[in-house]
Amino acid sequence: NAGVTQTPKFQVLKTGQSMTLQCAQDMNHNSMYWYRQDPGMGLRLIYYSASEGTTDKGEVPNGYNVSRLNKREFSLRLESAAPSQTSVYFCASILSGNSYEQYFGPGTRLTVT
Amino acid sequence: DAKTTQPPSMDCAEGRAANLPCNHSTISGNEYVYWYRQIHSQGPQYIIHGLKNNETNEMASLIITEDRKSSTLILPHATLRDTAVYYCIVRVATGATNKLIFGTGTLLAVQP
Repeated sequence: NAGVTQTPKFQVLKTGQSMTLQCAQDMNHNSMYWYRQDPGMGLRLIYYSASEGTTDKGEVPNGYNVSRLNKREFSLRLESAAPSQTSVYFCASILSGNSYEQYFGPGTRLTVT
Repeated sequence: DAKTTQPPSMDCAEGRAANLPCNHSTISGNEYVYWYRQIHSQGPQYIIHGLKNNETNEMASLIITEDRKSSTLILPHATLRDTAVYYCIVRVATGATNKLIFGTGTLLAVQP
């Protein structure tokens, strides 16, 4: 099993450009999450999908959109990137509401200039 | 979910036990204590969790005080590879959301 994979690993954008971060898991997990981590900070939840077909806002959803494409894939879109969105983005998944271990991907390092 | 307080950093000698404290004085009866760690900007990794009893697994032990207002994560024989940021998280275990609220954690530096 590859676990949780994220693409790309690194990305540099100019202000105003758009892009989509991809996340996939091969563990048949129901719930998926997008977090961001700024330097010296803990992770903050952007959006999550408790199950296929549903998405909900987390702590810091402004400037982002998400799509739960199917059970395996959960994408994060920046429509008009801003320097404040420079961060490391982590995707995670968990089997179900009664599970306890979230599995995290390796992260995408995004710089917006 | 209850708020947690952890020291920003700690040192530990290689081979010795690392004891990482966490205060969660506002914890509710149905909230679990979780520990994750993050090694050098990798994705966080689950370590252990507990409700009121002490727990042990192959990675660590979790000691929760009787009043549940604080806990300690113990790495029994720390190695250099245990150098990481350790996050203590309190959360309700039920329901479909499973949202984790990360603080800034404790940076554990294991010294040779």
